[in-house]
Amino acid sequence: NAGVMQNPRHLVRRRGQEARLRCSPMKGHSHVYWYRQLPEEGLKFMVYLQKENIIDESGMPKERFSAEFPKEGPSILRIQQVVRGDSAAYFCASSPPLYYIQYFGAGTRLSVL
Amino acid sequence: KNEVEQSPQNLTAQEGEFITINCSYSVGISALHWLQQHPGGGIVSLFMLSSGKKKHGRLIATINIQEKHSSLHITASHPRDSAVYICAVWVGDDKIIFGKGTRLHILP
Repeated sequence: NAGVMQNPRHLVRRRGQEARLRCSPMKGHSHVYWYRQLPEEGLKFMVYLQKENIIDESGMPKERFSAEFPKEGPSILRIQQVVRGDSAAYFCASSPPLYYIQYFGAGTRLSVL
Repeated sequence: KNEVEQSPQNLTAQEGEFITINCSYSVGISALHWLQQHPGGGIVSLFMLSSGKKKHGRLIATINIQEKHSSLHITASHPRDSAVYICAVWVGDDKIIFGKGTRLHILP
């Protein structure tokens, strides 16, 4: 039973480009969470999704950021027109329904040049 | 003031020492989560607590709901325990708030 898979592990983008981060939850998990960890800071909640639904996006910046979790395929966190301040580690976690404990992916480290 | 406070922020100890990391929170919670983040960045779930005490190997986690406080203890600490330990609380069913973490360094 594979764990939560995130790819790519490292992503380098120039300012203005788009970044797409992928997260495949553990088998049987229908809840996906995205978190951002800025350098030297703690994890911050971004968005909580279930299949085809955004449940809570209160942690998402209002512009340039979007997330989806389609019926088939991985969850995608998309950052348009990246800026240097977007450089961070982005973690995805998944959980089964009605269960708090989350299983984390290894993260995607985004560097914006 | 942060809703989840951890102490200490940094801790250096000798191998074999008993380690305590504290987490205090100011909101009503439905559960509390202890996580470990390794130097390479990966995050591992250690415990999920809503009351009492849990033990796994050399790790013990306790929570006092009335005092809004949780502790993570490591017995017979080892250099491989060196990591950042993160406390996170669940508020309701879908909101999670993280502490800033405690950076632990165990010297051989």
